Amino acid sequence: DTGVSQDPRHKITKRGQNVTFRCDPISEHNRLYWYRQTLGQGPEFLTYFQNEAQLEKSRLLSNRFSAERPKGSFSTLEIQRTEQGDSAMYLCASSILYTTNTGELFFGEGSRLTVL
Amino acid sequence: GDSVTQMEGPVTLSEEAFLTINCTYTATGYPSLFWYVQYPGEGLQLLLKATKADDKGSNKGFEATYRKETTSFHLEKGSVQVSDSAVYFCALSDRGAQKLVFGQGTRLTINP
Repeated sequence: DTGVSQDPRHKITKRGQNVTFRCDPISEHNRLYWYRQTLGQGPEFLTYFQNEAQLEKSRLLSNRFSAERPKGSFSTLEIQRTEQGDSAMYLCASSILYTTNTGELFFGEGSRLTVL
Repeated sequence: GDSVTQMEGPVTLSEEAFLTINCTYTATGYPSLFWYVQYPGEGLQLLLKATKADDKGSNKGFEATYRKETTSFHLEKGSVQVSDSAVYFCALSDRGAQKLVFGQGTRLTINP
């Protein structure tokens, strides 16, 4: 399968614990995006990378959240000291930057976080 | 900032009915517009797109026309099937970061 893959698919944790999600984008894609989706809402942008550079972070991304893409390939999203409000689906998407790119993103199936 | 507003769901129709899901947007520039679909248990998939005013995107019998004068991108299908049951998201993409801004989604259920 050459699509975007995310791991784990579901994580249940206790409040105050740290969690990390991994995203493997489509191999030739140089842009990688993280979104958060809560029940009944559309995905909300968190951050994006072009190669290994993190170019933009949303104000939704508190200082408990950190994302990395160290070699410009896979990415990790870490949430420290989780809170119940962090419970959501975390989506990863990738795309390839062309000058004529119209902005289509390819999404993974998501990592669902439940904080007890 | 940029935003997208979709008609509220859920929407329930009978098979072969006509479908319209309304979508309007607010943007400072000239965004590209998209409809994404999320089938049960699956990731978001691009359904169709339009990149400039008056463009019509189409796929799998669905259509949407980019209307700059009304800032709208309504999704239509002439005859829906049970397999169209899913959540539909309207989205726009700015031309810089090209990050997507999504509407809240509309859940569609088609009964046989």
